[in-house]
Amino acid sequence: DAKTTQPPSMDCAEGRAANLPCNHSTISGNEYVYWYRQIHSQGPQYIIHGLKNNETNEMASLIITEDRKSSTLILPHATLRDTAVYYCIVRGNPIYGGSQGNLIFGKGTKLSVKP
Amino acid sequence: AAGVIQSPRHLIKEKRETATLKCYPIPRHDTVYWYQQGPGQDPQFLISFYEKMQSDKGSIPDRFSAQQFSDYHSELNMSSLELGDSALYFCASSLETGENTEAFFGQGTRLTVV
Repeated sequence: DAKTTQPPSMDCAEGRAANLPCNHSTISGNEYVYWYRQIHSQGPQYIIHGLKNNETNEMASLIITEDRKSSTLILPHATLRDTAVYYCIVRGNPIYGGSQGNLIFGKGTKLSVKP
Repeated sequence: AAGVIQSPRHLIKEKRETATLKCYPIPRHDTVYWYQQGPGQDPQFLISFYEKMQSDKGSIPDRFSAQQFSDYHSELNMSSLELGDSALYFCASSLETGENTEAFFGQGTRLTVV
């Protein structure tokens, strides 16, 4: 079962920052927080991941709370092409083998970016 | 950069037929994951392989089997197809032992069973 909880839907105005929350209160010490998005039946697209430090790349920023029980994905300047379902996933380190590296998808947040 | 390649992109089969879906991972990736996504559903994990050995099994029906070959490509074999098997099937690959272990997905195979 998915170990995360996300709001089912969110709206964001084009050009504004989109802040997508995720709760993962049962995350364990060696588990990472991953974010993927899926645009209309395309393959899920990797966005960013982190363990405990905040992370930033060309797509987004990931803010993880100090207790690691929640995180926020930030799209700094949302565009219409960012409309998608965003999935927050807790994933173990695949180096440990078995089910550790599996990505278990929950319900995700449907983000609608509006003009 | 090379991505995960899945073939075919679309497949139409009749009930009780068999189907084989293929996945070619990103070069040097050693791990493959298979997912099924029904209409309006979220991706469901089916099975994964690491270095040609099955590493984990999810909600894969007994009618389905899969393997990873010596060149790391993987095939999902589906027999006695049912209408409910109509779905998008995604494959993902990752490098399990590398510093960057992100999994990247292919564009999927859309299977329609009629």
